[in-house]
Amino acid sequence: DTGVSQDPRHKITKRGQNVTFRCDPISEHNRLYWYRQTLGQGPEFLTYFQNEAQLEKSRLLSDRFSAERPKGSFSTLEIQRTEQGDSAMYLCALQELVNTEAFFGQGTRLTVV
Amino acid sequence: QKEVEQDPGPLSVPEGAIVSLNCTYSNSAFQYFMWYRQYSRKGPELLMYTYSSGNKEDGRFTAQVDKSSKYISLFIRDSQPSDSATYLCAMRHSGGYQKVTFGTGTKLQVIP
Repeated sequence: DTGVSQDPRHKITKRGQNVTFRCDPISEHNRLYWYRQTLGQGPEFLTYFQNEAQLEKSRLLSDRFSAERPKGSFSTLEIQRTEQGDSAMYLCALQELVNTEAFFGQGTRLTVV
Repeated sequence: QKEVEQDPGPLSVPEGAIVSLNCTYSNSAFQYFMWYRQYSRKGPELLMYTYSSGNKEDGRFTAQVDKSSKYISLFIRDSQPSDSATYLCAMRHSGGYQKVTFGTGTKLQVIP
């Protein structure tokens, strides 16, 4: 149990379809991050929420990507018109306190065919 | 050139060996240095973190940071087959906001 639940664990979709992933913290954390990890690479930062406010978005987050955290608790990441290059592990991370290190969920593995 | 460079391996060692993993970086603004362990198809798990230069020990693991050389290391003593995983170095600026920059990861296999 990592303290954060991600759903689904694995998603296979056809190119051009829309997909949505969900990140559910088990307890309240005001800082939530999304990262993407492709095969053989380390995770790359996508976006950051403090409570419900999205404070930074990476250039990796094209206009096909949108993330929300409507009530400052769970978060969703949607990818529209998926492309094969979107195939990756999408990781959610939470930060408990200022100046403590974030901890990661188990990720959602997306395969675009 | 990437901000953080890490040899992807794979690195194969016999059980009981001392393992040395390392990363170099180019951004002198990095202040916090972490090592994560990642098993196949799992999320990264924080192993060690160090603020600025120095050494930190936790059981069989020792993390070293040399900011003057922009070089960090993780040593694993008495390596076990259960240590077989990918090890990711990571670093970030100071402050509460945590945009972490990761290395590519080194895949380690400990052979019984």
